[in-house]
Parts: sequence; C-alpha cells; structure tokens
Amino acid sequence: AQKITQTQPGMFVQEKEAVTLDCTYDTSDQSYGLFWYKQPSSGEMIFLIYQGSYDEQNATEGRYSLNFQKARKSANLVISASQLGDSAMYFCAMREAPYGGSQGNLIFGKGTKLSVKP
Amino acid sequence: DTGVSQDPRHKITKRGQNVTFRCDPISEHNRLYWYRQTLGQGPEFLTYFQNEAQLEKSRLLSDRFSAERPKGSFSTLEIQRTEQGDSAMYLCASSSEWTSAYNEQFFGPGTRLTVL
Repeated sequence: AQKITQTQPGMFVQEKEAVTLDCTYDTSDQSYGLFWYKQPSSGEMIFLIYQGSYDEQNATEGRYSLNFQKARKSANLVISASQLGDSAMYFCAMREAPYGGSQGNLIFGKGTKLSVKP
Repeated sequence: DTGVSQDPRHKITKRGQNVTFRCDPISEHNRLYWYRQTLGQGPEFLTYFQNEAQLEKSRLLSDRFSAERPKGSFSTLEIQRTEQGDSAMYLCASSSEWTSAYNEQFFGPGTRLTVL
C-alpha cells in the first residue's frame, strides 16, 4: 500500500494567489516526520518545510505552511502569494523513525506539478 | 559551492556496460543516501551510509548494484551489467544529525542515466 498519497498530478494557480497541495500518509508509527520538497526542472530537490508527529503547531517557513491534521493523516502544503518561480514539482515525504532513531530514509509520494500563471 | 555535488550529471551507456557515479556530500554531513527517481515518480530509497558504514539497503538494490563510502566522505554507486530498466535519475542526499534540527536531507543535482 502507498505510504504517501498525492492525489493531484497537476495544479494551476494564478500569480499572487494561495494554493494548497494535498498529501495523505499511512503509518503505524507514533514517531515520524513529514517533509515537503520542491523539484524545479533543473532536477535538484529543495527542502521546504518539516512537521514532526509530536509537533502541536503547524509548521511555517516564510510563504510555506503545513496544514497538519494528525487524525486524518494529512499534511497539506499551503503556498501563499504564489510567484512564477514556484512553478515546479512538489513532493511530500515521510520519515518513519524505527526504534526512535532519526536517520531513516524518506518515503516520497508521486508529486504534484504546480504551474503558476502570470 | 558547499552543496551536494554529483558526477557525472548525465551518462549514456549501452546495455551490459558497467557505470559508476560519484557523490560528494556537504562536508560536515555524516549521513549519505542514494535514491532513484524514474519519470513521473518520486524518489525511491536505495541505500544509506552513516560515516563509512552502509547501514541500510533497499530491496531495490539488486546484486548488480554496489555502493561504497570508503572514508566516510564521498560515495560511489556502481551498476554492473546495466539494463534498460536502470534508466533513471540517481539522486544523492546528505544530512547531519548534529547541525540540522530536523535531520533534513540535502539533495544533489542528480545523475541522469540512459541505458540504450
């Protein structure tokens, strides 16, 4: 079964508007971390934001915020005031923490392609 | 540039040939990861090093694949007897348990492999 599900293959947003990219996850671990990465056409994955499973507040980093709903197992990325440079693939990823360790590999979703229209 | 670097950026090879990729992590990072990304998919984990020790390998890493990190710095990923199904982007990432709050992974630009 897929551990990370991103149901939106592609999204369009008007410049300066906000957009929400969906992500649901599946894990039986109590301790885990959720990440969002941006991948421009150049190919390099860029870390955007992190949410720990025990964090009570939603994470924010500049124009990025993470809408974390633990009971629903969702971790949606909200980008405010979209810019043309935001056009890219966006990946949601989860790190399970076996035995309480923090070195675990990332499990990625299939991504959402965001296109920002001028 | 102090980011993760990978070499080569592109590799075209014929089926059956061996290829080797190199990854240089961020200098103070002790953890190094290899991922493979095929078209339309997210990256898939291949293997993980902490310092020079290879601590985790995915079942995706068949016997034809081998990875090393001999001195705990750069790493190499070798694919023997390449197959067309090996065509993908190979991504390297590094992280540090001491310098980053979230142990987030920093990725290199990738090596795109095409097997003809």
